[in-house]
Amino acid sequence: SVLLYQKPNRDICQSGTSLKIQCVADSQVVSMFWYQQFQEQSLMLMATANEGSEATYESGFTKDKFPISRPNLTFSTLTVNNARPGDSSIYFCSSPGTGGYEQYFGPGTRLTVL
Amino acid sequence: GDQVEQSPSALSLHEGTGSALRCNFTTTMRAVQWFQQNSRGSLINLFYLASGTKENGRLKSTFNSKESYSTLHIRDAQLEDSGTYFCAAEDTEGADRLTFGKGTQLIIQP
Repeated sequence: SVLLYQKPNRDICQSGTSLKIQCVADSQVVSMFWYQQFQEQSLMLMATANEGSEATYESGFTKDKFPISRPNLTFSTLTVNNARPGDSSIYFCSSPGTGGYEQYFGPGTRLTVL
Repeated sequence: GDQVEQSPSALSLHEGTGSALRCNFTTTMRAVQWFQQNSRGSLINLFYLASGTKENGRLKSTFNSKESYSTLHIRDAQLEDSGTYFCAAEDTEGADRLTFGKGTQLIIQP
């Protein structure tokens, strides 16, 4: 298994600003992902964070809006650029950890954009 | 359409009773996971199945990849079982990418 930590656990920002969400794993992991969850809805995969290279984005998500960095095997940052009220949601990082397929999720970052 | 169809969307049980949640898949899935999302929003891993049946306490889950469905059975429901339950499946292209169902909001009443 793997333990994932996220920072901040919640944030409130003004429209038009940018904010960063950090995800740290307690061990080196090959795969790391970012998910978005709107209130009372399901989780949607945003992107795969690739170590040392550009993230792979799912349909509907772009690197200009949600740039993702993954400088090493324990760390990833999701940035929300030009935040809008429609970006208000919970953002989760996840990873299957080492040697397994079961996915583990961080505690989530609850973002409110005013 | 949705690759993962979860039902029911909401369920109310009295303490001590039980029921089943179900996910149907419209494409072949390699594995399925079940999560409970608690009131703080945290996702708790319940089961990971590539096939067959697993049981843990009052919970039991089955994944039938040939018939494209998975179930989660809850028996002797307790108040702390309240929350939203999600199934999430990984298709055969793999790469650990999960597609989530829309969730079942479970309320346990005294």
